[in-house]
Amino acid sequence: DTAVSQTPKYLVTQMGNDKSIKCEQNLGHDTMYWYKQDSKKFLKIMFSYNNKELIINETVPNRFSPKSPDKAHLNLHINSLELGDSAVYFCASSHPGGQLYEQYFGPGTRLTVT
Amino acid sequence: DAKTTQPTSMDCAEGRAANLPCNHSTISGNEYVYWYRQIHSQGPQYIIHGLKNNETNEMASLIITEDRKSSTLILPHATLRDTAVYYCIVRARGGTYKYIFGTGTRLKVLA
Repeated sequence: DTAVSQTPKYLVTQMGNDKSIKCEQNLGHDTMYWYKQDSKKFLKIMFSYNNKELIINETVPNRFSPKSPDKAHLNLHINSLELGDSAVYFCASSHPGGQLYEQYFGPGTRLTVT
Repeated sequence: DAKTTQPTSMDCAEGRAANLPCNHSTISGNEYVYWYRQIHSQGPQYIIHGLKNNETNEMASLIITEDRKSSTLILPHATLRDTAVYYCIVRARGGTYKYIFGTGTRLKVLA
């Protein structure tokens, strides 16, 4: 029984396309996150939602739009994909206010933009 | 966040203790030492953290030197499933949500 799941695991697409990544957690957590990890292993938070409400929105291009239909799901939609968007995107969840070490991570989605 | 230095790779025989060192000579007084691992591109998995005292949990032990300039993560009985990249991070509690994982140590547990 998977705690935090993401789909797809791999995503290869061309510049300019629009794509979505889905995330679901069955841990009963109220808070969910999206992180981006680049090739230098630099892990940076992008968004955080608490009970479907946006609470953290780092400096991310507005081409990225998170959507939380309910507290168990947090999807990430990316418009007009660029080469620099290539990275591994991780979804995570925790109880409210959870530090990194209190967050449970999904398996990641490796996005490659060509 | 203070910079850390770790060996690029290590091998360990299955069933033996794996000792992973980390240097953090510029650590500040309020900064903790955190250890995470990533198993084959999975999400980061928290292992353990400490400030100045040695710590132990069900996964590992953390030994921090008295001057806090280095630490060692100990996996007491390494298994094949412990093969992963291990990251040592030094940072204050709370703070920004930007985490620099660096290159880490690629631990390979050998059968």
